[in-house]
Amino acid sequence: QKEVEQNSGPLSVPEGAIASLNCTYSDRGSQSFFWYRQYSGKSPELIMSIYSNGDKEDGRFTAQLNKASQYVSLLIRDSQPSDSATYLCAVTGGGNKLTFGTGTQLKVEL
Amino acid sequence: EPEVTQTPSHQVTQMGQEVILRCVPISNHLYFYWYRQILGQKVEFLVSFYNNEISEKSEIFDDQFSVERPDGSNFTLKIRSTKLEDSAMYFCASRINRPQETQYFGPGTRLLVL
Repeated sequence: QKEVEQNSGPLSVPEGAIASLNCTYSDRGSQSFFWYRQYSGKSPELIMSIYSNGDKEDGRFTAQLNKASQYVSLLIRDSQPSDSATYLCAVTGGGNKLTFGTGTQLKVEL
Repeated sequence: EPEVTQTPSHQVTQMGQEVILRCVPISNHLYFYWYRQILGQKVEFLVSFYNNEISEKSEIFDDQFSVERPDGSNFTLKIRSTKLEDSAMYFCASRINRPQETQYFGPGTRLLVL
C-alpha cells in the first residue's frame, strides 16, 4: 500500500511567521510531488509542484524535495490569515493517479 | 483562465437510485480523473481515463461505477445503485498529456445518499 503521511495538525503560526509543512511518502518510485491547498468544502487548488531534489520557490512558497529521505516539505513565508486552510501533499508514481495525504490544517493567527 | 467545471454542485438521492455526475475538463487536456473525498477523510483516487478508455482504477471503483466521455467535452461518472457510503464530495480533474503536468480539479459535486 503506497502511503503519503502528513501530520494532521492543526499547525498554528502567528501572522507574518514561517509555516513549515511536512510530508513523507512510502513509494520510492514516486516521480512527481504536489502541494495543494484546500479550503473547507472546496476542491484542492495547486500551490506547488516539484519533480527533482532541492528547493523550488514561488513567491512566498518554497517546496523542498529529498528523494533519498522520501520527504517533501512546504514553507510558507510571511503567513497570512488567508493562508489558513488544509494543505494536501500528493504524489504520483509510474501511473498517473495522485495519492494524497490526509492533509495538515494550518491556522494563521492574528 | 480555463477551469474544470462540474454539475450539479449538490445532489441528494435515495439509496439504490442511479446518479450521473458531470464534468467538463479543460479543453486541451487529454487525461481525466475522478476522485472522491468522504467528509473528514483524504482525497481518494477512483479512476483515470485516456483515449476513450479507463487507464487505471482503484478498488473503490467497482461494477457499480462507470465513466464515459459521451461527446468531445463532457466526462461523466455514473453510480448505478447508490449506497449510503457513497455520500462524499466527488472531484473531477484533468491534465494535459505530459506525464509531469499538474492535475487541475473542478469544484466538486457533493453527493448525499439517504
